[in-house]
Amino acid sequence: GDSVTQMEGPVTLSEEAFLTINCTYTATGYPSLFWYVQYPGEGLQLLLKATKADDKGSNKGFEATYRKETTSFHLEKGSVQVSDSAVYFCALSGGETSGSRLTFGEGTQLTVNP
Amino acid sequence: DTAVSQTPKYLVTQMGNDKSIKCEQNLGHDTMYWYKQDSKKFLKIMFSYNNKELIINETVPNRFSPKSPDKAHLNLHINSLELGDSAVYFCASSQGLGRTDTQYFGPGTRLTVL
Repeated sequence: GDSVTQMEGPVTLSEEAFLTINCTYTATGYPSLFWYVQYPGEGLQLLLKATKADDKGSNKGFEATYRKETTSFHLEKGSVQVSDSAVYFCALSGGETSGSRLTFGEGTQLTVNP
Repeated sequence: DTAVSQTPKYLVTQMGNDKSIKCEQNLGHDTMYWYKQDSKKFLKIMFSYNNKELIINETVPNRFSPKSPDKAHLNLHINSLELGDSAVYFCASSQGLGRTDTQYFGPGTRLTVL
């Protein structure tokens, strides 16, 4: 079945550092890819998405490019802030076996220190 | 003007009790979902409904029963609660079943079974 693998966390960075959170997927068909963010005590918010190969999703300084050849959707930000501290989830939907459901990675806890 | 709302936010109860969680969306979406987030923050689909019709029914104990009285509501009833049911339950909605449709999440209900 479809699956998503994220880099193991937690990740701790200093403010203004460069962030990369790796995400790879296994799916047949033409899935859409998403990054969701969960701040402490809150629900999930969509951060960005990409719906076809080579699409780049971007929002709030975060970016991720849908790479079909490497089955990856790595999240990057050039300069993180303390307010970016949260759990980040990579997810896919629309694969042949997953249908409309979101299949999530394990989540990566990011802590940014001042 | 909350998009996806859930009640209650916290639910503490004894083993063996029956409880319900309510979800409402005011986005005009056709599709609604229930996800379970375990103690390690892993998220997994439980159910989805499209236009009040059950679409996804994952391998969930039949003590869990979703009910969709109309397109804007999807409630989750749990019978004979067990310790292992303790988790955060998230409701979500999307425009439809399309692979590019974004799912919007509620704030979650933290269920603690004692």
